[in-house]
Parts: sequence; C-alpha cells; structure tokens
Amino acid sequence: EIVLTQSPGTLSLSPGERAILSCRASQSVSSSYLAWYQQKPGQAPRLLIYGASSRATDIPDRFSGSGSGTDFTLTISRLEPEDFAVYYCQLYGSSLMYTFGQGTKLEIK
Amino acid sequence: QVQLVQSGAEVKKPGSSVKVSCKASGGTFSSDAMTWVRQAPGQGLEWMGGIFPLIGATNYAQQFQGRVTITADTSTSTVYMDLNSLVSEDTAVYYCARVADSGYWFDPWGQGTLVTVSS
Repeated sequence: EIVLTQSPGTLSLSPGERAILSCRASQSVSSSYLAWYQQKPGQAPRLLIYGASSRATDIPDRFSGSGSGTDFTLTISRLEPEDFAVYYCQLYGSSLMYTFGQGTKLEIK
Repeated sequence: QVQLVQSGAEVKKPGSSVKVSCKASGGTFSSDAMTWVRQAPGQGLEWMGGIFPLIGATNYAQQFQGRVTITADTSTSTVYMDLNSLVSEDTAVYYCARVADSGYWFDPWGQGTLVTVSS
C-alpha cells in the first residue's frame, strides 16, 4: 500500500505570501493519479487540483500543482484570507483503492 | 452539474448500525461511480469504499471489509452507506462524493453527515 506523507503539518504565513505544500508518496506513482483538496472548517473538501497539475473548475490561478514520481507540490502564489484552510493530497492506488495524506494546515501568521 | 445531498445527523448506540444516504441530482447517476469518505473529529480523511451503480460493483477499504455495505438505488439516484457493529471510534462525519470519469479523484462532495456513537 502506498503511503502519502504531507509536509509541513502546519504552515504559518501571512496574506500575500507564497505557500508551498508538499506531498510525498512512498513509491513512484503516476501523476495522473494525484489530486489536491481544500477543506475549510465545517465544510466538505473541495477539489483543487487533479492529475497533479490541472486546476479544477472555478479554482483561481494562484493555485498550481506540480511534481512527478514520488514528490508533488501544491503552490499558492499569493495567499488570500480565504485560502487559510487544511489541504489534503489524494492518490488513486491499485485495485480501485484510494488514499489520503494526513493534511497540511495553512494558518494565518 | 452534479449535486449531492446527504441525510441528517445520527446518534447511535455502540454495537448498532447506521445507514447514511446520499441523493444525487443534475448528473447521469447510473454511469457515475460514487464513494464514501469519513473524517473523525479533528482528524484527516479516510476512504471507506465505493460503488458503480450501473452494475452494482463495489470495493471497500480493507479496514472496513465486513463492516460496511455500500448500495445504490438507480431509480432514486441515491447511494447508501451502511456501517454495522458501531464503536465510539466510528464517530465521524461521513461524506459521499462522485468519482470523476477518470476514476482518479472525487468531485463534488456531499455536505457530510455526522454520526455520533455513544452509550
């Protein structure tokens, strides 16, 4: 079973700054299988990025995804107040199974 | 555009079972795979299993095998998640989500259903 490890656990930044979130897989995976979600308190997760680098519908272009193999990154170019939330990466694995990273909390500094 | 509306909060006794529903609208239900994810209080997301309503095929995460059953009613565009032998650790918000056509990610998600297991 492939394990996803996200870092850092908590990231403290100010509005206007750049955020870089990491998701590392325990073995090499296809970038097609990697997605990112945003979750705000009391809300369901929302798809941000699929296929490692494609933005979902209505996602602002300050969000971008990159990476391949075992290392993937979600970058938020200039943080807006509404971007402070928890972010999860997710992987489609073999045999129609799915796994999530443990999440990165992005908080206001 | 697909919208998913889940049933309301539940309070259950240990050892009992719970059935959560998720009604889809705005899409082609029978051709969309659906999945269930749960989130314990203050914790991360945990994939539970899914179903392809068109043929009724299901798959479950290993840690839930034998305790969870996911079904679908194509006549009402509703999927169900039935979890039995409840313990306090099953207290969580349960989400349904549509699996993208690719099969690789989930979008959109239902609003979530809080299930509380308490004696």
